[in-house]
Amino acid sequence: AQSVTQPDIHITVSEGASLELRCNYSYGATPYLFWYVQSPGQGLQLLLKYFSGDTLVQGIKGFEAEFKRSQSSFNLRKPSVHWSDAAEYFCAVGRGFGNEKLTFGTGTRLTIIP
Amino acid sequence: DTGVSQNPRHKITKRGQNVTFRCDPISEHNRLYWYRQTLGQGPEFLTYFQNEAQLEKSRLLSDRFSAERPKGSFSTLEIQRTEQGDSAMYLCASSLQTADTQYFGPGTRLTVL
Repeated sequence: AQSVTQPDIHITVSEGASLELRCNYSYGATPYLFWYVQSPGQGLQLLLKYFSGDTLVQGIKGFEAEFKRSQSSFNLRKPSVHWSDAAEYFCAVGRGFGNEKLTFGTGTRLTIIP
Repeated sequence: DTGVSQNPRHKITKRGQNVTFRCDPISEHNRLYWYRQTLGQGPEFLTYFQNEAQLEKSRLLSDRFSAERPKGSFSTLEIQRTEQGDSAMYLCASSLQTADTQYFGPGTRLTVL
């Protein structure tokens, strides 16, 4: 069975500081991995995805993530956060081509302080 | 492309009542998904359709829940005899069968009193 763990429930960072959100997955085959962001009252927006190839993937809004098979991790990073990045971030693993069931982690809430 | 839309955005009901939610996917998308998200949790998969065929249902989808997509376009999710534990955000997403990205709607927040 597939599963995702996001160990950090809540993270607070200063505006302009770097950010890393952790994600560990469990999946029996080649994982299809996603990061989504959810702002209050909004739906989930895809930040980036990984299927194969280069293990460092670039996404929207200046985010990137690195796939490490040996650690079963897919951590999200941003070199310098902006106040508008405050939101809930979800890591997900997809069965199939990502167009079947997605299994999400419990999310990490990001707070930005001035 | 107007995105995935869901109606209503909010629904308050009394325990024991039936409720129905509607999802309109992106027009050319033939796959449609339903997820449920409770407070402090990530979305949990409920079911998905390819065109009008329901391909998979989660164990979370009890007998009180039924989802349909009769013409392969919009979908409805009905909950019969609602319980307080059904209070959650119900999210709909859509995708192309051949693509890897699910696009989510804004959700319907259900409160059962």
